[in-house]
Amino acid sequence: DIVMTQSPLSLPVTPGEPASISCRSSQSLLHSDGYNYVYWYLQKPGQSPQLLIFLGSNRAPGVPDKFGGSGSGTDFTLTISRVAAEDVGIYYCMQGLQLWTFGQGTKVEIK
Amino acid sequence: QITLNESGPTLVKPTQTLTLTCSFSGFSFSNNAVAVGWIRQPPGKALEWLALVYGDGDKLYSPSLQTRLTIIKDTSKDHVVLRMTNMDPVDTGTYYCSVFAKVLGWGSWGRGTRVTVSS
Repeated sequence: DIVMTQSPLSLPVTPGEPASISCRSSQSLLHSDGYNYVYWYLQKPGQSPQLLIFLGSNRAPGVPDKFGGSGSGTDFTLTISRVAAEDVGIYYCMQGLQLWTFGQGTKVEIK
Repeated sequence: QITLNESGPTLVKPTQTLTLTCSFSGFSFSNNAVAVGWIRQPPGKALEWLALVYGDGDKLYSPSLQTRLTIIKDTSKDHVVLRMTNMDPVDTGTYYCSVFAKVLGWGSWGRGTRVTVSS
């Protein structure tokens, strides 16, 4: 199984400031087709997860451009350029190269 | 617009079989470009993928749970059923139905249905 490890697990943020979450996979997620099969989700309090980023760096439809995904191979980062109150929740990375496994989640909260 | 709605019992006893239904609309489920699956979340814990069925009928299961899981596609009724046998209190959590496509991954989710396993 591919293991996804996120850090930090808790991230207090100041509104208007940037934030970043790291995700490391136990195996490379770079497919021969050139895509990294990593996804990012946000689960707001009391809600279902919502897709933010697919294939490493592509924003899902309707996702604001303040969210960005980067990285390749085994190291990936989700960046929020300016955190707002509505961005609080738990962020998960997920690999889709070999079935699907999620990271432990990073809880983002406002300071 | 894609919609997914999960339904099933809120309480099951240990050793019983859980049966959940995902009713969906808003997409074509007739080939292997799209699949419907289940993902669960124990209280306060991370997400765990369970099972998937493609529109052409192919199925995939979590290796750690495959002996307990059965996923069934019923396109005549636009729903997918998940059965999990030998339920245990550790299986308590929220069970989500989701649509999978190769590029977007798990792009649309239902609201989830909460299941408690207790005697």
